[in-house]
Amino acid sequence: QKEVEQDPGPLSVPEGAIVSLNCTYSNSAFQYFMWYRQYSRKGPELLMYTYSSGNKEDGRFTAQVDKSSKYISLFIRDSQPSDSATYLCALIQAAGNKLTFGGGTRVLVKP
Amino acid sequence: DTGVSQDPRHKITKRGQNVTFRCDPISEHNRLYWYRQTLGQGPEFLTYFQNEAQLEKSRLLSDRFSAERPKGSFSTLEIQRTEQGDSAMYLCASSKDGPKGSPLHFGNGTRLTVT
Repeated sequence: QKEVEQDPGPLSVPEGAIVSLNCTYSNSAFQYFMWYRQYSRKGPELLMYTYSSGNKEDGRFTAQVDKSSKYISLFIRDSQPSDSATYLCALIQAAGNKLTFGGGTRVLVKP
Repeated sequence: DTGVSQDPRHKITKRGQNVTFRCDPISEHNRLYWYRQTLGQGPEFLTYFQNEAQLEKSRLLSDRFSAERPKGSFSTLEIQRTEQGDSAMYLCASSKDGPKGSPLHFGNGTRLTVT
């Protein structure tokens, strides 16, 4: 079993819809949580960073962390075709320095 | 802040050849990471530097792989006697020397194809 599980998709939504993405993890040592967006043939781009349970909002993006359930989510409101990409969750342990990634979810927003 | 720069963007090599990749991190970032990503998968950690010191290496980093960061600035990743299984995107990332969990900033990677 992988440390971080993420549905690979693809997730296809119409333009303007809410995109809902999530990851589950098994190790409670993970304390810092990030979401990255990756376009084809590009490096991952940091979208959201949080270290506490609850919600964090930034523009159209909301990150949600539930440490008790070991479950993190990313919501994208008013989705645009330019949001079509692979979304990666990434976690860091409290005593660590390296990111552990989920496998990524491919999202397609159709005009 | 010009971002993390990687060179070359693409490399095609024949099996058995040696290849070297370069990474220039964001200038004020002390930490530098190498990751490998295959198609349809998330990036996998290879190794990590704090300034010029290599502090952690993954079991994925076989003896054919070596990374250096001689002056605590740019880094190189060398693969000797390449194999077809080495074909992947090699990503470099950097972060500030700060609290635990500082987010990483990635370059656009070097795509290696071994024929």
